[in-house]
Amino acid sequence: GESVGLHLPTLSVQEGDNSIINCAYSNSASDYFIWYKQESGKGPQFIIDIRSNMDKRQGQRVTVLLNKTVKHLSLQIAATQPGDSAVYFCAENTGGFKTIFGAGTRLFVKA
Amino acid sequence: NAGVMQNPRHLVRRRGQEARLRCSPMKGHSHVYWYRQLPEEGLKFMVYLQKENIIDESGMPKERFSAEFPKEGPSILRIQQVVRGDSAAYFCASSLPLAGGYQETQYFGPGTRLLVL
Repeated sequence: GESVGLHLPTLSVQEGDNSIINCAYSNSASDYFIWYKQESGKGPQFIIDIRSNMDKRQGQRVTVLLNKTVKHLSLQIAATQPGDSAVYFCAENTGGFKTIFGAGTRLFVKA
Repeated sequence: NAGVMQNPRHLVRRRGQEARLRCSPMKGHSHVYWYRQLPEEGLKFMVYLQKENIIDESGMPKERFSAEFPKEGPSILRIQQVVRGDSAAYFCASSLPLAGGYQETQYFGPGTRLLVL
């Protein structure tokens, strides 16, 4: 079965607030993690990734945190905008080619 | 640089017909992956191909489904004798080859939405 899961299926935030999307994984051998954003009717869009030798990585308005001790991954979006409304997937990889996706969290941004 | 391209974007088939889904990877990418997505669900891995080779098809049903990535031309996912349960969005992704044992980022196409009547 899937080894990646999300704590909350739906997240609603006010425009301008920060968003935090969480993800748990069960395979301690996973060494590469990716966050994707999927808007309605579109394919997943790469947001940010992190390898297991890091615990934090920042991009433009996004930060990914990795806690290997508790096998937890999070995506933080600063100053959330209406255009951030989408489904967010975390995915993991154990060093090979197969990437396992979680079920996804739907983010609603209220204006 | 064009991204991953898939066509058709929408495909309607009647039960028993064949469905052919095409994927052109990003320029310079030699690895292609196919995923299936049901509404409100995550993506399920189906098959991983390199040019002229199927590397792993562990996620693909044993019957009716096949995939290829010829030396020239797009990758094709073929579903024979479609049934209603095949209705889903099928996404293709491409990547550069593995580097240093690490997975390269997969970039996704817009998907083909298959509806079986």
